[in-house]
Amino acid sequence: NAGVTQTPKFRILKIGQSMTLQCAQDMNHNYMYWYRQDPGMGLKLIYYSVGAGITDKGEVPNGYNVSRSTTEDFPLRLELAAPSQTSVYFCASSELQGGNTEAFFGQGTRLTVV
Amino acid sequence: RKEVEQDPGPFNVPEGATVAFNCTYSNSASQSFFWYRQDCRKEPKLLMSVYSSGNEDGRFTAQLNRASQYISLLIRDSKLSDSATYLCVVTQGGSEKLVFGKGTKLTVNP
Repeated sequence: NAGVTQTPKFRILKIGQSMTLQCAQDMNHNYMYWYRQDPGMGLKLIYYSVGAGITDKGEVPNGYNVSRSTTEDFPLRLELAAPSQTSVYFCASSELQGGNTEAFFGQGTRLTVV
Repeated sequence: RKEVEQDPGPFNVPEGATVAFNCTYSNSASQSFFWYRQDCRKEPKLLMSVYSSGNEDGRFTAQLNRASQYISLLIRDSKLSDSATYLCVVTQGGSEKLVFGKGTKLTVNP
């Protein structure tokens, strides 16, 4: 019963390095999301996808890229890491079922850029 | 106007108190409504869905007022374990996309 799996759980990056945060879900959900959450703050939507091959920007997309080649996977790419990208990143998926839409979240990736 | 707005909080209440959170949403076409709970340094998890007729789950009661585009969550007999951030969530009008409020932090004190 995996749900949404994010890797890695923790990462320290140097300024200018790049990395990919992985997210996979096994519930066959169409919607997937990437959020960042800074300390003491709310969730900010980075990118989302309504299905394989379709992605769209959220409120804070700058400095990030995504792809959705399969229903299961929704990786988030940081090309040139900056200290401002130090945050906790959550991936989520959701699907309309029986008139209800519930989102399931991964456990988060804690990223520090130094 | 933001899509989903919540009480800014934080709320600090003693054990046993009743506390209410409010939330407004801007898109009248929104169809589904939820309250999520987020513990410190953890991922958000679904607390309860909100139905048009209102619904109750133990000490928690959720209400929806479509005319006023308003959602509420009432917690009775607060426990220390209720301390968390409560997120109001609605589906974007005309789609399944979920829109999260910024959350309201609750601390229940002994």
